[in-house]
Amino acid sequence: NAGVTQTPKFQVLKTGQSMTLQCAQDMNHNSMYWYRQDPGMGLRLIYYSASEGTTDKGEVPNGYNVSRLNKREFSLRLESAAPSQTSVYFCASNHGTGLRYGYTFGSGTRLTVV
Amino acid sequence: TQLLEQSPQFLSIQEGENLTVYCNSSSVFSSLQWYRQEPGEGPVLLVTVVTGGEVKKLKRLTFQFGDARKDSSLHITAAQPGDTGLYLCAGGAAGNKLTFGGGTRVLVKP
Repeated sequence: NAGVTQTPKFQVLKTGQSMTLQCAQDMNHNSMYWYRQDPGMGLRLIYYSASEGTTDKGEVPNGYNVSRLNKREFSLRLESAAPSQTSVYFCASNHGTGLRYGYTFGSGTRLTVV
Repeated sequence: TQLLEQSPQFLSIQEGENLTVYCNSSSVFSSLQWYRQEPGEGPVLLVTVVTGGEVKKLKRLTFQFGDARKDSSLHITAAQPGDTGLYLCAGGAAGNKLTFGGGTRVLVKP
């Protein structure tokens, strides 16, 4: 079982460059999420998609955009990268019918902006 | 914004010792989850508690949800090196969203 697959695993960008982080899940989950993880701050929600065709802002959406391409795929785009966006990014998915079974996370993308 | 505070931030113990990690908030959560994260990987769900006062046991791990559903604790009995990792609590909010605490890094030395 692949679960949640994120690409790439590592990326270095120069300030001002753009890139898209890809995420795909094969569990037929309705809801998908993008989090960033910084030391001592846990995980903070960037954007989420409760179901195919919908997206909403989370706690820290500035500087990011998302696309729910279909039920399986949810991408995160940085239009003009800044050093403050250096972080580890995690994609997660959930059935969408409640939190009893929690989230399934990908293994993350480690992004450095120089 | 609902906030979750975890304590301590870091815990280093010897194999065989017990440890407790705390997760506190001023807000009420519909559910509380605990995850463990290992280096280079995403968090993995350990348990979900949904009822105030609920206690769940998972082998040597005991999880408790406070009566008022504002706090939780994770207790590990006779810790082993395999318990080493980052432990994260997360509170459930509307829209199936989770708010995460800052994490407790546990190191169990052999």
